[in-house]
Amino acid sequence: QSALTQPRSVSGSPGQSVTISCTGTSSDVGGYNYVSWYQQHPGKVPKLMIYGVSKRPSGVPDRFSGSKSGNTASLTISGLQAEDEADYYCCSYTGRYYVFGTGTKVTVL
Amino acid sequence: EVQLVQSGAEVKKPGESLEISCKGSGYSFTSYWIGWVRQTPGKGLEWMGIINPADSDSRYNPAVQGQATMSVDKSTTTAYLQWNSLKSSDTGMYYCARQYAAATGGWDPWGQGTLVTVSS
Repeated sequence: QSALTQPRSVSGSPGQSVTISCTGTSSDVGGYNYVSWYQQHPGKVPKLMIYGVSKRPSGVPDRFSGSKSGNTASLTISGLQAEDEADYYCCSYTGRYYVFGTGTKVTVL
Repeated sequence: EVQLVQSGAEVKKPGESLEISCKGSGYSFTSYWIGWVRQTPGKGLEWMGIINPADSDSRYNPAVQGQATMSVDKSTTTAYLQWNSLKSSDTGMYYCARQYAAATGGWDPWGQGTLVTVSS
């Protein structure tokens, strides 16, 4: 099972919106609504930001939103803030186990 | 508070065996799957596998199957990841994580991580 494909990096100015794509196949992203997204700051533990494609855990700002179309899931960060600068990973169920995306570095200009 | 606490950092030589642990507290241990994730230096996250503490049903990422073995001890609410013969390529940070909620695909909380260094 190959890693899901994410752009290596995206950037935006404070207040702007950025969207990170996560492309898989019909055997993972396209086959299940079990897509989640994780934020990881350098040296820190990954943090769950989105689960079930578009649900936010309590405490996650509503600036973070998730969606899916076909075999591609997306994470959008609206109103970008300095503390959003981090690595982001998507994750999908494959029918028996899970697979992560390749990771995207978000830079706030 | 729902919490996963992992064992401390380890330094081992190639060929040695190792077991790291992840103790769950603050919730019903057998009600949520536990997963193990590896992060190698400067690289991304990679699933090792997931295990159901209720019946030890284990599902490994085919890309890493055979490298390490997952297990649980329900009596101590602890999950384990074990290697019989370490390789230098096993060096990395290992995290355990709990299924966030049934049938959602999310994982939270995460343990603080266990750094494993394999070097001669």
